Amino acid sequence: DTAVSQTPKYLVTQMGNDKSIKCEQNLGHDTMYWYKQDSKKFLKIMFSYNNKELIINETVPNRFSPKSPDKAHLNLHINSLELGDSAVYFCASSRLGQSSGNTIYFGEGSWLTVV
Amino acid sequence: GDSVTQMEGPVTLSEEAFLTINCTYTATGYPSLFWYVQYPGEGLQLLLKATKADDKGSNKGFEATYRKETTSFHLEKGSVQVSDSAVYFCALMNTGFQKLVFGTGTRLLVSP
Repeated sequence: DTAVSQTPKYLVTQMGNDKSIKCEQNLGHDTMYWYKQDSKKFLKIMFSYNNKELIINETVPNRFSPKSPDKAHLNLHINSLELGDSAVYFCASSRLGQSSGNTIYFGEGSWLTVV
Repeated sequence: GDSVTQMEGPVTLSEEAFLTINCTYTATGYPSLFWYVQYPGEGLQLLLKATKADDKGSNKGFEATYRKETTSFHLEKGSVQVSDSAVYFCALMNTGFQKLVFGTGTRLLVSP
């Protein structure tokens, strides 16, 4: 049983296209995230949602639009893809409201290549 | 702002060698500290964590102790295996901020 699952795992697309990555968690968590890992393996948060409400938006270009239809799903839509968007995108989830020791659980990543 | 600094890699070791990967942090308040591991071609897995000073996190033979006086959370393992080859990320989460701040990652290569 996969706790945080995201699709697709691999995506190759042309510049200018629009694409979506879907994420679902079955852990009963109320907070979900998108992180980006660049070619140098550096990981940075993009967005965070709690109970379908946006709580963190880390100055990501507005070509990136997250959508949370319910607290178990957080999808990432990217418009007008650029070469620099090539990266691994990780979905993650946690339970808000406890101490700062909340564990964030990650999906397996979606490898996006823009050509 | 909060930040995490890890030693540059790659760290190259022979099987059964002792491993240390250094991690120091800068943060206000009392963050929780984490080590995540990423095996080749895979996602991030939580390796261990510590939520307060002097706590020791441990898992799969790896250990790290939360040292507030030195703002460090160094990862150690007494005897590495080839299967430990991966990228290791140190991270912190500060109270009230529901996000992880990651270090740059340290690649470990273990040869037979």
